[in-house]
Amino acid sequence: ETGVTQTPRHLVMGMTNKKSLKCEQHLGHNAMYWYKQSAKKPLELMFVYNFKEQTENNSVPSRFSPECPNSSHLFLHLHTLQPEDSALYLCASSQVGTDEQYFGPGTRLTVT
Amino acid sequence: GQNIDQPTEMTATEGAIVQINCTYQTSGFNGLFWYQQHAGEAPTFLSYNVLDGLEEKGRFSSFLSRSKGYSYLLLKELQMKDSASYLCAVRASGGSYIPTFGRGTSLIVHP
Repeated sequence: ETGVTQTPRHLVMGMTNKKSLKCEQHLGHNAMYWYKQSAKKPLELMFVYNFKEQTENNSVPSRFSPECPNSSHLFLHLHTLQPEDSALYLCASSQVGTDEQYFGPGTRLTVT
Repeated sequence: GQNIDQPTEMTATEGAIVQINCTYQTSGFNGLFWYQQHAGEAPTFLSYNVLDGLEEKGRFSSFLSRSKGYSYLLLKELQMKDSASYLCAVRASGGSYIPTFGRGTSLIVHP
């Protein structure tokens, strides 16, 4: 198993759809993150979970709803998205107190 | 807040040396990271600097000057597979331990 996996890798959804992105880490880490990566823009931190508790929400619209049922799994529930939400959504994990984050391959989301 | 600046794109020749610069302004400083990201893939960790000086790791080296708010990533003996985006990320002291990323530098290595 690779360290951090994400499914699906590609997703096309209409503005009225509801979908979920899944992330799983096999590294025994206790912190997980959602990032948004748009073309020509820096990686934007969306949510942080430490020990399954959400510790950061960077003013993300409510149409994005995270869920962290345990320290190995992280979900991002999507509903009534806008075309400008089209981007690469990256999941990462780390061990709290260490420096390095391990990223998953991302989900390429297109909102039509 | 934090401001991180790096060139958008650079090109270099296979076998050459390239230096990718990153300047930052931050309220306090607690480390600078470099990540490599190939197109369509996950960013992967390259280096971490928290003290001034040069950290060498094989063909890659990273330098930090805290007084100048400046870092560079040096890639030697360039290979075609080094074509990727290189992300500079800075962690501020106090508050969140999570780094803020720059826009990334797209490096194109040609024969």
